[in-house]
Amino acid sequence: QVQLVESGGGLVKPGGSLRLSCAASGFTFSDYYMSWIRQAPGKGLEWVSYISSSGSTIYYADSVKGRFTISRDNAKNSLYLQMNSLRAEDTAVYYCARSRVPVAGIDYWGQGTLVTVSS
Amino acid sequence: QSVLTQPPSVSGAPGQRVTISCTGSSSNIGAGYDVHWYQQLPGTAPKLLIYGNSNRPSGVPDRFSGSKSGTSASLAITGLQAEDEADYYCQSYDSSLSGSGVFGTGTKVTVL
Repeated sequence: QVQLVESGGGLVKPGGSLRLSCAASGFTFSDYYMSWIRQAPGKGLEWVSYISSSGSTIYYADSVKGRFTISRDNAKNSLYLQMNSLRAEDTAVYYCARSRVPVAGIDYWGQGTLVTVSS
Repeated sequence: QSVLTQPPSVSGAPGQRVTISCTGSSSNIGAGYDVHWYQQLPGTAPKLLIYGNSNRPSGVPDRFSGSKSGTSASLAITGLQAEDEADYYCQSYDSSLSGSGVFGTGTKVTVL
């Protein structure tokens, strides 16, 4: 069965860095686009970033461009999100998610990892 | 930056039918991109409910149905049940945002 397991969340001070990881299993990881989608406490969903199956196409939301870096290791079935210069408004649950292509729906989501940016 | 607008809340008694609208524009729904719907139960990750405007993944009850017309889409829940109380989000693709998926603002469904 498809599993997406995020890790790496936690409490970090403003201006700090954090690296999120997502371990995928139960499917051919290299066949899918992968995304990070976040949800601030009590708020809606925001698409943060996605990366194509080969890693050649990458998208970032304007709110994180220049601060966050998405990457993947198809040999390790893993997705990453390097988050630098973190701000209070980056506080959210971050979900790892898969889709065939960006226009398709997200068919599987991880359970999420909470990132809290606070002094 | 939600570009798809949903009503903040809808409610209905058990057994009733409720609908949730999702209004977009000519750069997303109106451009022909598919609309997908997700259900998020309290404290859990979203779950795909409808894909490709009107298709249900395996295991989703046929009480849930989706449709799309012009620059809008709708999710209907018939025979409302207590376990349907959740947040619902529409999602599409927007060609004006450097090629990104976009979510609706979300709708809280309350079963009275």
